[in-house]
Amino acid sequence: GENVEQHPSTLSVQEGDSAVIKCTYSDSASNYFPWYKQELGKRPQLIIDIRSNVGEKKDQRIAVTLNKTAKHFSLHITETQPEDSAVYFCAASLGRTGGFKTIFGAGTRLFVKA
Amino acid sequence: DGGITQSPKYLFRKEGQNVTLSCEQNLNHDAMYWYRQDPGQGLRLIYYSQIVNDFQKGDIAEGYSVSREKKESFPLTVTSAQKNPTAFYLCASSLDRWRGLGGELFFGEGSRLTVL
Repeated sequence: GENVEQHPSTLSVQEGDSAVIKCTYSDSASNYFPWYKQELGKRPQLIIDIRSNVGEKKDQRIAVTLNKTAKHFSLHITETQPEDSAVYFCAASLGRTGGFKTIFGAGTRLFVKA
Repeated sequence: DGGITQSPKYLFRKEGQNVTLSCEQNLNHDAMYWYRQDPGQGLRLIYYSQIVNDFQKGDIAEGYSVSREKKESFPLTVTSAQKNPTAFYLCASSLDRWRGLGGELFFGEGSRLTVL
């Protein structure tokens, strides 16, 4: 079945450093790759996404890259700030009978130390 | 305010009882989803629905049931057959249409179920 693996499970960085989270997916039919941020006690919210016809996308301090051949995609956060501390989930979405399935990775807990 | 509402926020259940979690959205979204969140395991898909009166099993559907009688509503029943029902349940919706493309999920605030 479809599977998304996410690494690392925990990441600790110093404020101002960069953070990178990597994911791999199993189903080559996946065509949409969102990233969600979940702060403690809150609902997950989309921070950036990329579609399969694009290799890279940036939004201020956040960027996502996609390698379709290798079935890898990564989240890059530059100039990290304490408010970036949260759990980040990657996901892969693909069309199936009856709708779209979005499969999530296990999450990365990011700590940004001031 | 437009959004997706889950209730109750906290629920306690005795073993052997069924319980139904409510999910309502007023975003006019076509698709709705139920996920289960356990520590260290991310979000696992239980059921999803693209249109009214149709729904599909996700990866962990055993012990759960859903209905989609209205576009706005997608209730989840946790049955007594679910062996480990204590978890945090998240409902989501998205504006998926028959375009061949996935879209952003908008989540509710979640329901925490504890089986005593």
